[in-house]
Amino acid sequence: KAGVTQTPRYLIKTRGQQVTLSCSPISGHRSVSWYQQTPGQGLQFLFEYFSETQRNKGNFPGRFSGRQFSNSRSEMNVSTLELGDSALYLCASSLAGEQQSPLHFGNGTRLTVT
Amino acid sequence: GESVGLHLPTLSVQEGDNSIINCAYSNSASDYFIWYKQESGKGPQFIIDIRSNMDKRQGQRVTVLLNKTVKHLSLQIAATQPGDSAVYFCAENWGDYGQNFVFGPGTRLSVLP
Repeated sequence: KAGVTQTPRYLIKTRGQQVTLSCSPISGHRSVSWYQQTPGQGLQFLFEYFSETQRNKGNFPGRFSGRQFSNSRSEMNVSTLELGDSALYLCASSLAGEQQSPLHFGNGTRLTVT
Repeated sequence: GESVGLHLPTLSVQEGDNSIINCAYSNSASDYFIWYKQESGKGPQFIIDIRSNMDKRQGQRVTVLLNKTVKHLSLQIAATQPGDSAVYFCAENWGDYGQNFVFGPGTRLSVLP
């Protein structure tokens, strides 16, 4: 089974721009979560989508948004980029029906904001 | 790849020895826990999970112990190998649904030849 695929692998953007990251989950997984990873803050939860609906949201500003499509693929968008948004953005998928289940991560998109 | 965490606690063990990585979790209501391994340039990789109705769970060369009284989780790796060198994270979750896990800061395991 193919794993979680994230594109692009690397991105360099300028302050004030916006960016869209893409994630294809493992086939059959209906939940997609996004995490931000930085050396200073570690892994922080952004949001989770399940059946095209945002089910949970972390403590990030409204500049961070996401969506999920009917095929479970997901995108996240960051508008008005700031230097502090430089991070590794990780997508994870899971079965996540009525019971918690493990997250399966992609290798991330490395975003650098200059 | 870029370092996951520049100032992570580090555990150094001799190849062939057993490793024990500890984690203090934050929420007494947490009922599901996972250990992840992250190698440089890669996303976290699932190792083993445990639910709060268990105290111990074993996998291949790994054992997770859960002490709910003191909110403590540990990962034991038997016969540590060079390929085990990585950063290890514990993650906790609570509630009936939702995948909003809280991750610990991580521990870097360094295996010495």
